[in-house]
Amino acid sequence: ETGVTQTPRHLVMGMTNKKSLKCEQHLGHNAMYWYKQSAKKPLELMFVYSLEERVENNSVPSRFSPECPNSSHLFLHLHTLQPEDSALYLCASSQERNYGYTFGSGTRLTVV
Amino acid sequence: AQSVTQLDSQVPVFEEAPVELRCNYSSSVSVYLFWYVQYPNQGLQLLLKYLSGSTLVKGINGFEAEFNKSQTSFHLRKPSVHISDTAEYFCAVSGPSGFQKLVFGTGTRLLVSP
Repeated sequence: ETGVTQTPRHLVMGMTNKKSLKCEQHLGHNAMYWYKQSAKKPLELMFVYSLEERVENNSVPSRFSPECPNSSHLFLHLHTLQPEDSALYLCASSQERNYGYTFGSGTRLTVV
Repeated sequence: AQSVTQLDSQVPVFEEAPVELRCNYSSSVSVYLFWYVQYPNQGLQLLLKYLSGSTLVKGINGFEAEFNKSQTSFHLRKPSVHISDTAEYFCAVSGPSGFQKLVFGTGTRLLVSP
């Protein structure tokens, strides 16, 4: 398997649930990213991991918790979300000084 | 910090007509510029990128873009579009950091009709 794989593709969760989004890259990249894509809004950078260390957290609410156990895997743990958190969550990876992200297909999250 | 402006939220065009999608950026440092395409229910796919050198960049699917430093623009063009080009197109900019932090525009929806 190649590229960036995100699971699940679709997720419906209640506001009291706990769930996790998974991202896996098979490209040997050393940086991984979570973006949020909402309708009519620019893509919002949420978290950046470089060499498994979180290097950026763009004022994301604590109900979103990222985890990067190794350079190939990235998780986004979700708990007590709000309806406005419904969006497409995109994972991407890149290699330092090899410019250009590779994106996964995203997880469509609906909070009910 | 960098920012990107895509003034056109939607561009309708007939099949086989030429198209230009506009992108302007602002930055206090040298930049790298990108165009990505997103088809329905999919992630973003890199169309082309400008890092340095020739200001005319050719990408996949017959698209090209021209970097204009004086006008801080990076417009995307295709001489003849197909129905299959219907998608959302995003312009993005990054600074020369060790790892990239891309800043995206709001996107332009290209609608190609027969």
